[in-house]
Amino acid sequence: AQSVSQHNHHVILSEAASLELGCNYSYGGTVNLFWYVQYPGQHLQLLLKYFSGDPLVKGIKGFEAEFIKSKFSFNLRKPSVQWSDTAEYFCAVLGEGGSYIPTFGRGTSLIVHP
Amino acid sequence: EAGVAQSPRYKIIEKRQSVAFWCNPISGHATLYWYQQILGQGPKLLIQFQNNGVVDDSQLPKDRFSAERLKGVDSTLKIQPAKLEDSAVYLCASSLPSGYGYTFGSGTRLTVV
Repeated sequence: AQSVSQHNHHVILSEAASLELGCNYSYGGTVNLFWYVQYPGQHLQLLLKYFSGDPLVKGIKGFEAEFIKSKFSFNLRKPSVQWSDTAEYFCAVLGEGGSYIPTFGRGTSLIVHP
Repeated sequence: EAGVAQSPRYKIIEKRQSVAFWCNPISGHATLYWYQQILGQGPKLLIQFQNNGVVDDSQLPKDRFSAERLKGVDSTLKIQPAKLEDSAVYLCASSLPSGYGYTFGSGTRLTVV
């Protein structure tokens, strides 16, 4: 069975600070990995995804994530956050050969102070 | 491209009442999912449809929750009777059978008082 763990439940940063949100997964085979963002009052939106190839994935709004297979990790990064990045961030894993249903982490609440 | 449509956006009901949510997936997406997202948690899958058939409903509380997708397109999720702990956002998502194109709707926020 696949599972996801997000270690940081609440993160508070000032504008221009660097961001790294942790995501570790558990699955015995090949995985597809996702980061979703949910802005206040809005629906889940895909930030970026990893299916194969370059383990450093660049997404929208300056976000990137690195897939480190040996660490079962897919951490989300942004070098300089903005107030508008305040949102909930969800990591999700989809194990290939399974039922094509992603499993989500519990999310990380990011608050960026202007 | 139109996204996944859900209605209503918000619903407030008293416990023991019934409620229904509607979802219209992206055109051509054979797979449809209903998730429950309780405040402070990630989305939890309730049920997955492939066309009009149920693929996985193992986490659906079948004593009170039901869902259908009769014509293999839009879907309804019903709760009867509602409990306080059902307060959550109910998300619909759709995708191609491979999981490609996975897209969420805006969700319905349910408050049970």
